[in-house]
Amino acid sequence: GENVEQHPSTLSVQEGDSAVIKCTYSDSASNYFPWYKQELGKGPQLIIDIRSNVGEKKDQRIAVTLNKTAKHFSLHITETQPEDSAVYFCAATKLSFGAGTTVTVRA
Amino acid sequence: DVKVTQSSRYLVKRTGEKVFLECVQDMDHENMFWYRQDPGLGLRLIYFSYDVKMKEKGDIPEGYSVSREKKERFSLILESASTNQTSMYLCASSQTLAGGADTQYFGPGTRLTVL
Repeated sequence: GENVEQHPSTLSVQEGDSAVIKCTYSDSASNYFPWYKQELGKGPQLIIDIRSNVGEKKDQRIAVTLNKTAKHFSLHITETQPEDSAVYFCAATKLSFGAGTTVTVRA
Repeated sequence: DVKVTQSSRYLVKRTGEKVFLECVQDMDHENMFWYRQDPGLGLRLIYFSYDVKMKEKGDIPEGYSVSREKKERFSLILESASTNQTSMYLCASSQTLAGGADTQYFGPGTRLTVL
């Protein structure tokens, strides 16, 4: 089955700086890569996704890049704000998730 | 506002008890999922269902069973709860399955403690 690895497990950034989370996957047939944000006491919520026929997608301060050849994809958050503090999960398809990254934005 | 609801936010059970976790979605989605979330392990798929009365095993089905008698409801059953099943359980639903590029909606989770 699909195996998704996510790094780093924790990330602390100064407010206003950028945050980058990287994921790799194993199954070259995977074609859908969502990213989720989970705030304390809540379920994960989709923040951005990308399909395998697209290399990059941006939504305001959030962007995702995909390298199908290398089988890795990344989440980029620019101009981080305190409300970006949360756990972020990558996934390959809807069934295989990374271990999560706890992002802390320091004011 | 779309919604996935789970019957309990917190649950405490004793070893050997039969435990039912209920999930309801109001979006008429075909597919429903049960995951467990543990620190450092992320979300791991237990079971999913692509239609009423249909189910498929995920990555960690041992010790669990599921039931989907109605489209909107998906139940996770622990036949005989054990301490290693102490975890956060998340239910989700979506219109398409694995590779479909539509949103998967999650419930708030049930934190189960087995003593």
